[in-house]
Amino acid sequence: RKEVEQDPGPFNVPEGATVAFNCTYSNSASQSFFWYRQDCRKEPKLLMSVYSSGNEDGRFTAQVDKSSKYISLFIRDSQPSDSATYLCVVNMNYGGATNKLIFGTGTLLAVQP
Amino acid sequence: DAGITQSPRYKITETGRQVTLMCHQTWSHSYMFWYRQDLGHGLRLIYYSAAADITDKGEVPDGYVVSRSKTENFPLTLESATRSQTSVYFCASSEDRRQPQHFGDGTRLSIL
Repeated sequence: RKEVEQDPGPFNVPEGATVAFNCTYSNSASQSFFWYRQDCRKEPKLLMSVYSSGNEDGRFTAQVDKSSKYISLFIRDSQPSDSATYLCVVNMNYGGATNKLIFGTGTLLAVQP
Repeated sequence: DAGITQSPRYKITETGRQVTLMCHQTWSHSYMFWYRQDLGHGLRLIYYSAAADITDKGEVPDGYVVSRSKTENFPLTLESATRSQTSVYFCASSEDRRQPQHFGDGTRLSIL
């Protein structure tokens, strides 16, 4: 079983739709979580960090449920420019001072104009 | 301010050759990482470094060598390239092990 799991998609949605990405992780000791965006043939770029209380940045909202080990990202009023792959990232603690960021394989989003 | 840069952007070489991919960051980040990205696997960690002269293996280290003599540089060497090492390689850095990582724009390596 993968340590971080995402639906690979693709998600094909019309412009203006609300999109929800979900991610599950295995390590209950994980403390920090992130969403990255990756455009085709480009590097991953940090979209937002995910805080325990949830956080919002414009059209983007991120939440984490540590009891369920579940992370989500919502995009409201999606735009064609949001088309990309969205990567869920979890900081896994392996005991002591050993932490590693584990990347999900990503969910591909295509927003149709 | 480029932040983190990788070179070369593209590289084609033959099996058995030695190849070195360069990574340089200007943020003075302690941590640096090398990943490869292949279809169906996502990002896989090859090696990482917590500080100068400290390196450790990631998920897929076989066939690769790294060094970190200076904080700002973290080269990745394929000692004897194989076709299975054809991939996109990303270097990343972060302030500490819990912070998000920032990526270079990648090296596309083809081994014929």
